Amino acid sequence: GAVVSQHPSWVICKSGTSVKIECRSLDFQATTMFWYRQFPKQSLMLMATSNEGSKATYEQGVEKDKFLINHASLTLSTLTVTSAHPEDSSFYICSAMRENGREQFFGPGTRLTVL
Amino acid sequence: AQSVSQHNHHVILSEAASLELGCNYSYGGTVNLFWYVQYPGQHLQLLLKYFSGDPLVKGIKGFEAEFIKSKFSFNLRKPSVQWSDTAEYFCAVNAPGANNLFFGTGTRLTVIP
Repeated sequence: GAVVSQHPSWVICKSGTSVKIECRSLDFQATTMFWYRQFPKQSLMLMATSNEGSKATYEQGVEKDKFLINHASLTLSTLTVTSAHPEDSSFYICSAMRENGREQFFGPGTRLTVL
Repeated sequence: AQSVSQHNHHVILSEAASLELGCNYSYGGTVNLFWYVQYPGQHLQLLLKYFSGDPLVKGIKGFEAEFIKSKFSFNLRKPSVQWSDTAEYFCAVNAPGANNLFFGTGTRLTVIP
């Protein structure tokens, strides 16, 4: 299989705090990982693409200083929402792709609620 | 820029009815096409994909999709839906060599027993 996990599955935090979300490929090495954001009843919007060992590539309109992405190993990428505000509340989904792969495998998502 | 359109926002069907969900994309080159399903409370799962070859693609759970290049379409079909098919369905596209996936807005399918 190709299993991707995310932790935590949900998190509630106070405004101004930072939250880290982990994305792990459990049974394969992921040279590329992607972070998406999904608003209620809307589609997934790509936030950034991260390649192991290099800086993430952010999509237009996504603040790289607010959404810090680290892809330090072939099985782990992290998304840190810094100084979170209520408007950052959303469902964050990661996906992972093998080297030379053409298919993305998705994690279960993390629901972030900022009070 | 690539975009993906799913014109059906919410489809309600009775069990055993046939299903067709529309998906159109705007991209002039060769593309890879995907349909994903998201069951309530669960993560995205791949239903089927098209990279090349036979434009009629068979997926899991009895789903199929047909790539019609001239119409820039990749519609999803199932001859007889079940209550368990109730879910959100997303069409997605990327260009070969590009990893970015562009998703449609999704279609919610409700199957009434």
